Amino acid sequence: GAVVSQHPSWVICKSGTSVKIECRSLDFQATTMFWYRQFPKQSLMLMATSNEGSKATYEQGVEKDKFLINHASLTLSTLTVTSAHPEDSSFYICSARKAGGSRYEQYFGPGTRLTVT
Amino acid sequence: GQQLNQSPQSMFIQEGEDVSMNCTSSSIFNTWLWYKQDPGEGPVLLIALYKAGELTSNGRLTAQFGITRKDSFLNISASIPSDVGIYFCADTGNQFYFGTGTSLTVIP
Repeated sequence: GAVVSQHPSWVICKSGTSVKIECRSLDFQATTMFWYRQFPKQSLMLMATSNEGSKATYEQGVEKDKFLINHASLTLSTLTVTSAHPEDSSFYICSARKAGGSRYEQYFGPGTRLTVT
Repeated sequence: GQQLNQSPQSMFIQEGEDVSMNCTSSSIFNTWLWYKQDPGEGPVLLIALYKAGELTSNGRLTAQFGITRKDSFLNISASIPSDVGIYFCADTGNQFYFGTGTSLTVIP
């Protein structure tokens, strides 16, 4: 299989605080992980691509200082939303590409629902 | 960026009916992927298409990669309640772009 987990599955935080979301590939190594954001009734929007051991590549319009991404190992990537505001409330989904696998296929985590009050 | 438009936006069908949805792009693709997303979950890959004209099946699902390489369709035969969800087409390239989605509701 190719299982990706995310933690937490949901989180509520106060405006101005930071929150960290973890993405783990449980049964495979992932050289590349992706972070998406999905607003209600909308499609997934790619935020950034992270490669193990190097800096993440952010999509246009995504603030790198606000959405800190760390991909320190072949099985773990983290997304930290800093100084969160209500407009950051969204469904955050990560995905992972298998090391040595098809470049076209990604395995998605179950998502993290973030609510900023 | 690339735009992937899906139609219809939503569908309400009776259990047992067949379903057809499509995805069109403003540019040529090398790969088409079809995903299904259940509420509150991440997408799950259904079918991957790699060549223009390719027709691929996965159980009751059939998808085709358009000859022009700018479109793809997904058919679901004999729908069942668990087919409910949002279906997305996706581009790969060097990154991933998701289509606008087709929401499917199956009425028992």
